[in-house]
Amino acid sequence: AQSVTQLDSHVSVSEGTPVLLRCNYSSSYSPSLFWYVQHPNKGLQLLLKYTSAATLVKGINGFEAEFKKSETSFHLTKPSAHMSDAAEYFCVVSPYGQNFVFGPGTRLSVLP
Amino acid sequence: DTEVTQTPKHLVMGMTNKKSLKCEQHMGHRAMYWYKQKAKKPPELMFVYSYEKLSINESVPSRFSPECPNSSLLNLHLHALQPEDSALYLCASSQGTGNYNEQFFGPGTRLTVL
Repeated sequence: AQSVTQLDSHVSVSEGTPVLLRCNYSSSYSPSLFWYVQHPNKGLQLLLKYTSAATLVKGINGFEAEFKKSETSFHLTKPSAHMSDAAEYFCVVSPYGQNFVFGPGTRLSVLP
Repeated sequence: DTEVTQTPKHLVMGMTNKKSLKCEQHMGHRAMYWYKQKAKKPPELMFVYSYEKLSINESVPSRFSPECPNSSLLNLHLHALQPEDSALYLCASSQGTGNYNEQFFGPGTRLTVL
């Protein structure tokens, strides 16, 4: 069975400091991987996706993620957090022939 | 137009009411989805339409009835709901159902069942 683990349910950083949100997955085949962000009472917005091309993926708003097959990880990073980054972040694995499998989410708080 | 729209934004209904949620996209996407999201949880897939045909029903109770009138529209008809059905209902669309296709989400309808 496919699964996604987001290792931290809550991450708190100060504005201007780096962000690291961790994601590990299990999948029988090479999956596609996505990061989505959800601000309070909003829908989900795609930050970036990996679909077996470059392993370092750049997304919107300065976010990037690195696919590491040997570690089955797809961690999300940003060099400098902004107050507007405070939101819920979902790591998603899309195995071949199957639908999205969502991680449980990580809530990011950004302190002034 | 890279937007998925949903109406209404909020809906309050009693357990005997019949209501409908509406979703629309004009990106030419051929796959559309309904998700249910409870507070502090990830979205849970309910239904998938591919080329206007229902392809996946994730064992959803019959009080939820999806409909895809055309390639741009997706409805969710609600009847005799229970208070535990209160949630954010999200619609999404994608180019196709291949695993490399990102899904575009609408803002959701916040449903409260009294």
